[in-house]
Amino acid sequence: NAGVTQTPKFRVLKTGQSMTLLCAQDMNHEYMYWYRQDPGMGLRLIHYSVGEGTTAKGEVPDGYNVSRLKKQNFLLGLESAAPSQTSVYFCASSYGEGSYNEQFFGPGTRLTVL
Amino acid sequence: AQKVTQAQTEISVVEKEDVTLDCVYETRDTTYYLFWYKQPPSGELVFLIRRNSFDEQNEISGRYSWNFQKSTSSFNFTITASQVVDSAVYFCALTSWAGTALIFGKGTTLSVSS
Repeated sequence: NAGVTQTPKFRVLKTGQSMTLLCAQDMNHEYMYWYRQDPGMGLRLIHYSVGEGTTAKGEVPDGYNVSRLKKQNFLLGLESAAPSQTSVYFCASSYGEGSYNEQFFGPGTRLTVL
Repeated sequence: AQKVTQAQTEISVVEKEDVTLDCVYETRDTTYYLFWYKQPPSGELVFLIRRNSFDEQNEISGRYSWNFQKSTSSFNFTITASQVVDSAVYFCALTSWAGTALIFGKGTTLSVSS
């Protein structure tokens, strides 16, 4: 099993450009999450999904959109990138219901917005 | 609101020293779960432990031990006889039974020198 994978690993954007980050998991997990990690801030939840076709906002959703068209994939989109979105993005997934289950994290995507 | 505080931003020790990482949490829920994750220099997040609010027994796993005290809302992590490979950022996290995502502390950076 590959676990949780993220594509791409690194990306540099110019302000105003758009991009999509792909997260894929092969563990048949229901729950999937997108976090961002900034220096000294820990991880903060952007959006999450409790199942195929459902998404919800987390703590810092502004400037991002998500889609969960297939159970195994969770996409994070930036429509018009801003320097404030420079961060490391982590995707995670968990089995069962509720965030109290162990979350399995992807390797992260380092995004720089110039 | 839920909150996790890791007051120690950085800790430096010499190999073989014992070190304790502090975690203090706030929640109004009676059923909640606490986690510790390790983030080595390679960047991935590694699950270490989960503890639910009804289980106050201390946990020991090799050189790692955890002390959960509801009376002080703390879930501290001790590494005995630290090694260079323990150098990492350690995150404490909290969620409730009905929660949708983990609330992370800001992390403690542990540096172990030889």
